Amino acid sequence: NAGVTQTPKFQVLKTGQSMTLQCAQDMNHEYMSWYRQDPGMGLRLIHYSVGAGITDQGEVPNGYNVSRSTTEDFPLRLLSAAPSQTSVYFCASAWLLGTSGTGELFFGEGSRLTVL
Amino acid sequence: GENVEQHPSTLSVQEGDSAVIKCTYSDSASNYFPWYKQELGKGPQLIIDIRSNVGEKKDQRIAVTLNKTAKHFSLHITETQPEDSAVYFCAPRNMRFGAGTRLTVKP
Repeated sequence: NAGVTQTPKFQVLKTGQSMTLQCAQDMNHEYMSWYRQDPGMGLRLIHYSVGAGITDQGEVPNGYNVSRSTTEDFPLRLLSAAPSQTSVYFCASAWLLGTSGTGELFFGEGSRLTVL
Repeated sequence: GENVEQHPSTLSVQEGDSAVIKCTYSDSASNYFPWYKQELGKGPQLIIDIRSNVGEKKDQRIAVTLNKTAKHFSLHITETQPEDSAVYFCAPRNMRFGAGTRLTVKP
């Protein structure tokens, strides 16, 4: 019963490098999302998806790209990493509940990214 | 967009005491009010939620109360235990998270 799996757990990048954070869920959830967590700021929504082929921006989308080619996977791409992107990243998934939005969010264990 | 404020930011209680965390939101269309608990090094996990058609929900030692008129909802933990020590987040409609409350329960 894997739930939401994120890889890698830790990553160190140099400024300007690119990388992809992977997220996979095995619960057949329509909704998937990425958050960043910085001290004292809670979780801020980066991008989200309500189904395969559909993505949208959250609060802090700049510097990040996403795609949703399958229901299971929702990778987050940093095209040119900056020190301001040093953070802990969480992926989450949930059922969609029509006009009520989403149900319970299920989170991965997080990916700690450091950009030097 | 939705403005979410969570108070207090830190809370320290003695084991056995009660703890209350309040979340204020701005979007009157919000109809789903969850609370998440995050332990050190882990992702947040839902502990209790409430929908807008009820005013209170209880699950053993935890409860959530909702005041839709005043646009706030609160998490209540009774008979606190050291394992309740964590960071708690509110997230109206799962769209925007509060900044979190670090609860410490002293044995």
